Amino acid sequence: EAGVAQSPRYKIIEKRQSVAFWCNPISGHATLYWYQQILGQGPKLLIQFQNNGVVDDSQLPKDRFSAERLKGVDSTLKIQPAKLEDSAVYLCASSLEIFGNSYNEQFFGPGTRLTVL
Amino acid sequence: ELKVEQNPLFLSMQEGKNYTIYCNYSTTSDRLYWYRQDPGKSLESLFVLLSNGAVKQEGRLMASLDTKARLSTLHITAAVHDLSATYFCAVILSGTYKYIFGTGTRLKVLA
Repeated sequence: EAGVAQSPRYKIIEKRQSVAFWCNPISGHATLYWYQQILGQGPKLLIQFQNNGVVDDSQLPKDRFSAERLKGVDSTLKIQPAKLEDSAVYLCASSLEIFGNSYNEQFFGPGTRLTVL
Repeated sequence: ELKVEQNPLFLSMQEGKNYTIYCNYSTTSDRLYWYRQDPGKSLESLFVLLSNGAVKQEGRLMASLDTKARLSTLHITAAVHDLSATYFCAVILSGTYKYIFGTGTRLKVLA
């Protein structure tokens, strides 16, 4: 079974530029998450989708970050314009369902390391 | 606001020794997860704990959950070098879909 795919793996941009990240979840997984992980910290949830609807985006800086999940499969996360403090690893994860009787285990992609100069 | 704290933040231990990592959270949670992250790598799921008193074991790692104390432990038995990594706990805030990760414990096992 293929895992969660992300691209690009690395990106270096200058502040005020724009950048986009792409995520392809595990086939059949309804729920998709985007996390920001700053060096030395735990991942912080930015946004969570179930199918193509947003479940939680309370920690997404909406003045500069946006995300979409068209057709309930792939997702893109965009930053426009980028700031120095956006330098981090952006992780995408997916799970089979939100709640119910399952463990709702999340599977993480390899991440995209963003450096803003 | 739900806070998740781990201690210690850094742990250096000798091979063959036992040790415990603690994860405290500040409010009611439906479930608790433990993850492992190797340097430059993504997160790997280790355990999912769903109820009070739950205990899970895999190899040299054993995780437990005490929901009344809002505490989970990850116990390492007879550590080996391959266990060197950063370990995160994460909880879901009750009634929401929000996952909150702990601060992480960076473990280094010395040969």
